[in-house]
Amino acid sequence: SQKIEQNSEALNIQEGKTATLTCNYTNYSPAYLQWYRQDPGRGPVFLLLIRENEKEKRKERLKVTFDTTLKQSLFHITASQPADSATYLCALLTTDSWGKLQFGAGTQVVVTP
Amino acid sequence: EAGVAQSPRYKIIEKRQSVAFWCNPISGHATLYWYQQILGQGPKLLIQFQNNGVVDDSQLPKDRFSAERLKGVDSTLKIQPAKLEDSAVYLCASSQPLRGTRYGYTFGSGTRLTVV
Repeated sequence: SQKIEQNSEALNIQEGKTATLTCNYTNYSPAYLQWYRQDPGRGPVFLLLIRENEKEKRKERLKVTFDTTLKQSLFHITASQPADSATYLCALLTTDSWGKLQFGAGTQVVVTP
Repeated sequence: EAGVAQSPRYKIIEKRQSVAFWCNPISGHATLYWYQQILGQGPKLLIQFQNNGVVDDSQLPKDRFSAERLKGVDSTLKIQPAKLEDSAVYLCASSQPLRGTRYGYTFGSGTRLTVV
């Protein structure tokens, strides 16, 4: 069966450090992998997208890598700030299910001053 | 641009009652999605509309859930009768066709449903 797995344990990190989150998937051939941020009581907010033929993507303090051989994406927040505290969701789109964005359960990040 | 609007924000009902949620997508977004997010889980797609036609409803429990998209704009999601396991946040999202694959979806804040 298809699975998208993210660390269920919260990631506690000190301000200024780099937070690294993992997204692993099985039985998917994603064409696109997206990362979203979700704050309590709010809907997910789109952050970054990476295509299957891209290795790395950056946006300000965020960096995403995509390894289709390992079936894994890493999401990095550099120079983390308390305002980065939220749940981060990985989501996949496959070529046989265009528009059917499927999400992992998310990893909570807590940045302490 | 205005975001995706959803109402109500919260709803508490007894099991076997019915409930309806409303969504107004971003103007010009032809594609609309309803997701169910149970506490501690990621959002799960229930139904996808392209304009006023259904593209995918394979994960919609059709014996109790129904959805429509009036004139290709607003959408309503209904549950009748509700069960305890329907307690969740119901999220509406919209995107322009194909652009969602490249530029992400825009989500509303959701409706938190509690079935008691």
